[in-house]
Amino acid sequence: DAGVTQSPTHLIKTRGQQVTLRCSPKSGHDTVSWYQQALGQGPQFIFQYYEEEERQRGNFPDRFSGHQFPNYSSELNVNALLLGDSALYLCASSRSGGAGSYNEQFFGPGTRLTVL
Amino acid sequence: DQQVKQNSPSLSVQEGRISILNCDYTNSMFDYFLWYKKYPAEGPTFLISISSIKDKNEDGRFTVFLNKSAKHLSLHIVPSQPGDSAVYFCAASAGAQKLVFGQGTRLTINP
Repeated sequence: DAGVTQSPTHLIKTRGQQVTLRCSPKSGHDTVSWYQQALGQGPQFIFQYYEEEERQRGNFPDRFSGHQFPNYSSELNVNALLLGDSALYLCASSRSGGAGSYNEQFFGPGTRLTVL
Repeated sequence: DQQVKQNSPSLSVQEGRISILNCDYTNSMFDYFLWYKKYPAEGPTFLISISSIKDKNEDGRFTVFLNKSAKHLSLHIVPSQPGDSAVYFCAASAGAQKLVFGQGTRLTINP
């Protein structure tokens, strides 16, 4: 059973460009969350997708957008890249639960984005 | 606004001894707390969790303690092993599955 997979592993872009990162959730999971981890910091929540809709969003600008497909896989898009967007982008998947319940999130290995 | 704080960036412990990692939080709405372990080039791996209705949860060598009045939790690892060397993240959730992480503590176990 494959866990959470992310592609690509590494990516180098220049300022102003656009990037798309991809995530396939663990089998049986229907919810995908994205996190940004800057060097020396903990992961920061970007947004979460469930049933192809953005269910919750963190404090990130509109340059960050996402999508979830019918097979539950997800994409993270970042437009007009800034130097400060350089980070490790982590995808986590989980099984949806009832209101207020916590279901364990399983993380992928991440995509390392470098903006020059 | 750092709602979850790990004030020790690093910790060095001798093999076989106890490792204690600390975490403080400010949001009283948090009702679930987790510890993740991260090796280089890998995503965080879930280690142990605790609900706000408990004050202790144990799993093998790992024990998490929660002090709600102090808004403090700690992870105890005993005995510490070389394979425990990693970055440990404390995280908290307010019921909606969004995780708020601390900055991490790098644990080094010395032989």
